[in-house]
Amino acid sequence: DGGITQSPKYLFRKEGQNVTLSCEQNLNHDAMYWYRQDPGQGLRLIYYSQIVNDFQKGDIAEGYSVSREKKESFPLTVTSAQKNPTAFYLCASVSGGLAKNIQYFGAGTRLSVL
Amino acid sequence: DQQVKQNSPSLSVQEGRISILNCDYTNSMFDYFLWYKKYPAEGPTFLISISSIKDKNEDGRFTVFLNKSAKHLSLHIVPSQPGDSAVYFCAASAQDTGGFKTIFGAGTRLFVKA
Repeated sequence: DGGITQSPKYLFRKEGQNVTLSCEQNLNHDAMYWYRQDPGQGLRLIYYSQIVNDFQKGDIAEGYSVSREKKESFPLTVTSAQKNPTAFYLCASVSGGLAKNIQYFGAGTRLSVL
Repeated sequence: DQQVKQNSPSLSVQEGRISILNCDYTNSMFDYFLWYKKYPAEGPTFLISISSIKDKNEDGRFTVFLNKSAKHLSLHIVPSQPGDSAVYFCAASAQDTGGFKTIFGAGTRLFVKA
């Protein structure tokens, strides 16, 4: 059945290491988003992509990078430049048409620093 | 600068009674408002939404009210059930140069006591 799959569920990063979070969707949605959630805060937008091979920075893009080579996939790389990467990361996609504002989320990846 | 605020971090309600979750926003450009529900270790799921041209939208036990002049919206759950215990996020959306941009509140944790 259709949905958004994020992997891994838990991820640990060593100092100076880049790590990549996977996000795959089979909903045939054009737009995909990455958010970060910290305790006591709302979801903050990192990057988003409206179509393949195009993406825009969100509010907190520094220290992160993305790619959108396929419609189904929108991986997020947390680089060593991100000094405070410990958080819960959520990927979402948006359908078009009348429901264009409604986001469908994956189950999330919890990233911790060793 | 929090554009969407949920001032109550938590709310406790008796089963069968009404739950009222509140949300305030500051940007008058927002034209679509959504509520999401999140269980632990899962991504948020869409619950109900309202366009800025309406002041009320109802879906079963859930009703969202919008007061544009006060820049305030609320989610009513009647009657509340133990399964409604979750974190509820308010979100506001507006057209941006790169597509739709959605801002999330920090969430309110609802406890429904049996």
